[in-house]
Amino acid sequence: GAVVSQHPSRVICKSGTSVKIECRSLDFQATTMFWYRQFPKQSLMLMATSNEGSKATYEQGVEKDKFLINHASLTLSTLTVTSAHPEDSSFYICSATSGGATDTQYFGPGTRLTVL
Amino acid sequence: LAKTTQPISMDSYEGQEVNITCSHNNIATNDYITWYQQFPSQGPRFIIQGYKTKVTNEVASLFIPADRKSSTLSLPRVSLSDTAVYYCLVVNTGGFKTIFGAGTRLFVKA
Repeated sequence: GAVVSQHPSRVICKSGTSVKIECRSLDFQATTMFWYRQFPKQSLMLMATSNEGSKATYEQGVEKDKFLINHASLTLSTLTVTSAHPEDSSFYICSATSGGATDTQYFGPGTRLTVL
Repeated sequence: LAKTTQPISMDSYEGQEVNITCSHNNIATNDYITWYQQFPSQGPRFIIQGYKTKVTNEVASLFIPADRKSSTLSLPRVSLSDTAVYYCLVVNTGGFKTIFGAGTRLFVKA
């Protein structure tokens, strides 16, 4: 139980293009989903928090117009990196929680984005 | 949000018990303590979660003293495959937001 998937697992794109990453909770309904970014040898950095049907809440320093988040259903959230540049190359990880007393987050396998 | 502090790295040998301690001095009443394991190029994997005293599951034990200002993850008889980064998180129920600290890089040697 508590499986979260991400698609694609790896993507390479040209500078200036947009890339969409999907995050799905496969066996539970996710009231809240989170998007993280992780650079090599560093910890996870929270980018934004999204609740189904609501606008995402972005962390300070994260451009909401560049990183578009859509949480259209209780099992799907998408992150679109618009006009990607080489500095956006990173490992993007989503997580989901069904709420409840402990709000345990379950993480996806991550998406490796490389912008050329 | 409660800040967490862990050792940056630890070394161990196969078959040994490993204890990783995390301090979280400003933990709040509603906060739970959660530990995750992360391998390179993978998302973090949930290990164990607790509120107080001791919690044990099939892979680890979590010890939390009465003041809850620290917690210790105990991995019994580690193997080479336990080499990973271990993160201690303090999760505020209802607030949802989670901030990752630097984590502890555990190296298990043969």
